[in-house]
Amino acid sequence: DVKVTQSSRYLVKRTGEKVFLECVQDMDHENMFWYRQDPGLGLRLIYFSYDVKMKEKGDIPEGYSVSREKKERFSLILESASTNQTSMYLCASRNLARYEQYFGPGTRLTVT
Amino acid sequence: AQKVTQAQTEISVVEKEDVTLDCVYETRDTTYYLFWYKQPPSGELVFLIRRNSFDEQNEISGRYSWNFQKSTSSFNFTITASQVVDSAVYFCALIYSGGYQKVTFGTGTKLQVIP
Repeated sequence: DVKVTQSSRYLVKRTGEKVFLECVQDMDHENMFWYRQDPGLGLRLIYFSYDVKMKEKGDIPEGYSVSREKKERFSLILESASTNQTSMYLCASRNLARYEQYFGPGTRLTVT
Repeated sequence: AQKVTQAQTEISVVEKEDVTLDCVYETRDTTYYLFWYKQPPSGELVFLIRRNSFDEQNEISGRYSWNFQKSTSSFNFTITASQVVDSAVYFCALIYSGGYQKVTFGTGTKLQVIP
């Protein structure tokens, strides 16, 4: 089975803090994604990576950056957390030939 | 531009009833894939099905069935004899099969199955 893990299920940070969200997949998938999920808005893509050291902006990249130094790991960075970044963050990976995504359990981030 | 519309925000049914979740999509591409995902209360989205644009055959998997109609740009999902474990948020999604293109998700339909 594909397994995607995220470093934390729940996280509470203060405004202005630098926040790192880690995602690891164990299926050698080429593509990895970061989404945020908010009530009524569904899933919105923040960034995706189609290969190591490659990244593309999604729909809402402002206030975020990413890093992919190894194929299995994709990190989301909030340089200076703000209260409007309080959300559920979902990581996903995908085999390029099959298109469906496999998701991690999510990190519920609260910024106070 | 791609768009996926799930007009039903929330649905409540009594256990053992059948329920259909609607999904309507828009795309200019001729080759694309459609998906359904389930997000139970635990939070993790689970992949249910993939369908490509050239395959309009309906699919059945146990109590789940999917009806894909290109003429109406719809990819509807029916749960037969619903159970409490079916309570979740269900997302429909679309991707253009052109390499690294990102997925477009609908806003989801929350299904509550009442015992």
